[in-house]
Amino acid sequence: SQKIEQNSEALNIQEGKTATLTCNYTNYSPAYLQWYRQDPGRGPVFLLLIRENEKEKRKERLKVTFDTTLKQSLFHITASQPADSATYLCALGHSGTYKYIFGTGTRLKVLA
Amino acid sequence: DTGVSQDPRHKITKRGQNVTFRCDPISEHNRLYWYRQTLGQGPEFLTYFQNEAQLEKSRLLSDRFSAERPKGSFSTLEIQRTEQGDSAMYLCASSLVLAGNEQFFGPGTRLTVL
Repeated sequence: SQKIEQNSEALNIQEGKTATLTCNYTNYSPAYLQWYRQDPGRGPVFLLLIRENEKEKRKERLKVTFDTTLKQSLFHITASQPADSATYLCALGHSGTYKYIFGTGTRLKVLA
Repeated sequence: DTGVSQDPRHKITKRGQNVTFRCDPISEHNRLYWYRQTLGQGPEFLTYFQNEAQLEKSRLLSDRFSAERPKGSFSTLEIQRTEQGDSAMYLCASSLVLAGNEQFFGPGTRLTVL
């Protein structure tokens, strides 16, 4: 069955460092991969989209890579700040449907 | 604010009762999604609409769940004969009809079944 794995344990990093979050998937060939941020008690907020034919996408301090051979996406936040503390979710979409499957999310805590 | 809105924000009900939630998407968005999220998990897909057509429904969704989007604008999600396992956050999202387009999520409706 399709499976999406994100680090289940919380990631703690020091302010100013680069945070790297992983999203691994099996039994799936996504055409699109999205990253969302979710704060407690709120709905997810879209951050970045990367397509299967793209290796890398950047937006301000954010960078996403997509390796369809390794079946993995990496999400980087450079120069992290305490305000970046949140849960980050990856979501995979197939070209044949507009349904997205979400990972379990990784909780990031940036320490001042 | 022209974002996605959901009503109610919180609902407490007794087991066996029926509940209905409403979602108002961003006005120009054709696509509308319903998800369920429990603590420590990501959103779980329930169903989605394109305009008024329900295009896909999760196999995980039992017959007690039904969703409608009668005029292609707002949507309702009804849960009949609620069970304690239905306790969760129910999220609605909308998007434009473009491949890979971002979803805009509402604040969610938190359901507690006693």
